[in-house]
Amino acid sequence: DAKTTQPPSMDCAEGRAANLPCNHSTISGNEYVYWYRQIHSQGPQYIIHGLKNNETNEMASLIITEDRKSSTLILPHATLRDTAVYYCIVRALNEKLTFGTGTRLTIIP
Amino acid sequence: NAGVMQNPRHLVRRRGQEARLRCSPMKGHSHVYWYRQLPEEGLKFMVYLQKENIIDESGMPKERFSAEFPKEGPSILRIQQVVRGDSAAYFCASSPAIGGGLNEQFFGPGTRLTVL
Repeated sequence: DAKTTQPPSMDCAEGRAANLPCNHSTISGNEYVYWYRQIHSQGPQYIIHGLKNNETNEMASLIITEDRKSSTLILPHATLRDTAVYYCIVRALNEKLTFGTGTRLTIIP
Repeated sequence: NAGVMQNPRHLVRRRGQEARLRCSPMKGHSHVYWYRQLPEEGLKFMVYLQKENIIDESGMPKERFSAEFPKEGPSILRIQQVVRGDSAAYFCASSPAIGGGLNEQFFGPGTRLTVL
């Protein structure tokens, strides 16, 4: 079973920042937070991951709360191509990825 | 650098036939994972392989399903005597050996299996 809770769907206006929340209240000290997205039945695409510090790359930023019980994925300037299902996953070393049902993000023109 | 390749992209089988799905990992990757996605559901882990070894097959059905990753050639997911419930998208992912088990997995485009 997935160890995370995400809203089933969200809308965001094109050009605005999309903030996707994730709750992982039972996360263990050795577990990382990963984000993947799946665009219309394609293979999932890795976005970002982190342990406790905030992380940023060319795709997104990941904000993890100090108690590590929740996190937020931020897409700074959403485009129509960002419409996808976003999966938040907690994972320890050598563990498999366990996908939940994710958040279906729709970018509105 | 080519990404993860899967073939065929679409496969149609009749009940009772065998299905063979192939996955070529990214160059330099020696870890392969197989996932299954039923319509409107998230991906479910099936099996994790390294070259010539099955590391974790906890998600594999006990019967009819097998996987291999030989020293040479692609990884193969084999489904014997397919049933309609096997209809799904099967995704393969690969990751490099360096960095251990926390490396991100790179996914292929998937094989969509339809059982008639």
